[in-house]
Amino acid sequence: KQEVTQIPAALSVPEGENLVLNCSFTDSAIYNLQWFRQDPGKGLTSLLLIQSSQREQTSGRLNASLDKSSGRSTLYIAASQPGDSATYLCAVRPAFSNSGYALNFGKGTSLLVTP
Amino acid sequence: DAGVIQSPRHEVTEMGQEVTLRCKPISGHDYLFWYRQTMMRGLELLIYFNNNVPIDDSGMPEDRFSAKMPNASFSTLKIQPSEPRDSAVYFCASASNRGTTGLAGTGELFFGEGSRLTVL
Repeated sequence: KQEVTQIPAALSVPEGENLVLNCSFTDSAIYNLQWFRQDPGKGLTSLLLIQSSQREQTSGRLNASLDKSSGRSTLYIAASQPGDSATYLCAVRPAFSNSGYALNFGKGTSLLVTP
Repeated sequence: DAGVIQSPRHEVTEMGQEVTLRCKPISGHDYLFWYRQTMMRGLELLIYFNNNVPIDDSGMPEDRFSAKMPNASFSTLKIQPSEPRDSAVYFCASASNRGTTGLAGTGELFFGEGSRLTVL
């Protein structure tokens, strides 16, 4: 079974810093990888979706990279702001699975950006 | 677009009672998922539907849980009887795979706000 790990579990940075969130997965046979943001008491908001054939995706201050062979993805946040404070989750869709569409989620990194 | 709509947002019930959670997916989406989130286990897939048909229910904890999708715009997750260990946030999500074949679609997932269930 695909295992997804996110390190660190929690992170606190001052406003303005650039930061990197890490996601690792055990099986490199994936269809895609998705990064989500979750605010307290809210649902998940999709940030970036990287297909297995892609190396990175960018949206505004966010950049996500994918290295399938090493089973890693990173989410880079430039010039962090207090509004970026949330939990960030990584999810992997396996390429071969009896549950063809199931996403395997990491437990997330809780980010706090202080003013 | 209204997004994925779930109800109720909060439910507090006593052990043994029946609980029904509801979901309205985004119009036009052909996949619907039910997830459960707890601090200990994170997000777990319970069941998902494609074109209203259950495809994989291997994540459903036990027979006390059941899910239906009578039409493309509505799904329910029912727990009967409920137990304290069922306390969690239950999320519904939908996705569209139209225009692609087999498993090769992008199918970005869109989540609802969740239903927080507390079983006393």
